Amino acid sequence: GEDVEQSLFLSVREGDSSVINCTYTDSSSTYLYWYKQEPGAGLQLLTYIFSNMDMKQDQRLTVLLNKKDKHLSLRIADTQTGDSAIYFCAATSGGSYIPTFGRGTSLIVHP
Amino acid sequence: GAGVSQSPSNKVTEKGKDVELRCDPISGHTALYWYRQSLGQGLEFLIYFQGNSAPDKSGLPSDRFSAERTGGSVSTLTIQRTQQEDSAVYLCASSLGGLPPEKLFFGSGTQLSVL
Repeated sequence: GEDVEQSLFLSVREGDSSVINCTYTDSSSTYLYWYKQEPGAGLQLLTYIFSNMDMKQDQRLTVLLNKKDKHLSLRIADTQTGDSAIYFCAATSGGSYIPTFGRGTSLIVHP
Repeated sequence: GAGVSQSPSNKVTEKGKDVELRCDPISGHTALYWYRQSLGQGLEFLIYFQGNSAPDKSGLPSDRFSAERTGGSVSTLTIQRTQQEDSAVYLCASSLGGLPPEKLFFGSGTQLSVL
């Protein structure tokens, strides 16, 4: 089955860019997602990218997809303290209804 | 309701007792998921319901875990004879049911502590 890996921690200074990386194993993955979880809350979808795209931009967020390397990244420009949260990468294999999630990357933003 | 509602938000129980966790999905969402989030772990898939189809139970960790969804809406996750390793946040999500799902809407979860 699908396996999704991401680093556990990232620390950045306010105003810098953050880049959170993720790798997945199933080359038939069709949708790749980034979810954000703030303390005590459920996950909220930030953005997703369809597998036939290389890049998607949404305001301060840029998602890059390298299908050959099965690598997904999320770049947050001008990171703010309010961006401190856990970011989950997820992938859905072709024909599956069930997204597989990574362990989450805890982003800490220092003033 | 406006979002996915889960209750209780916190549950403390003694080892060996049974617990029931409830999820009320967004109205009109045909797909419902249960995931478990343990400390330091990712989201572990438990069970998936889609409309009136038989649920996908492939993620349930043992036969102590079961879930049902009545009337295509509210779902209950039951854990029998709870163990300390069952302590986790249990998250419910719903979606419109497309293949694959474009977006899952998550509840805030039930924090289960087994003493």
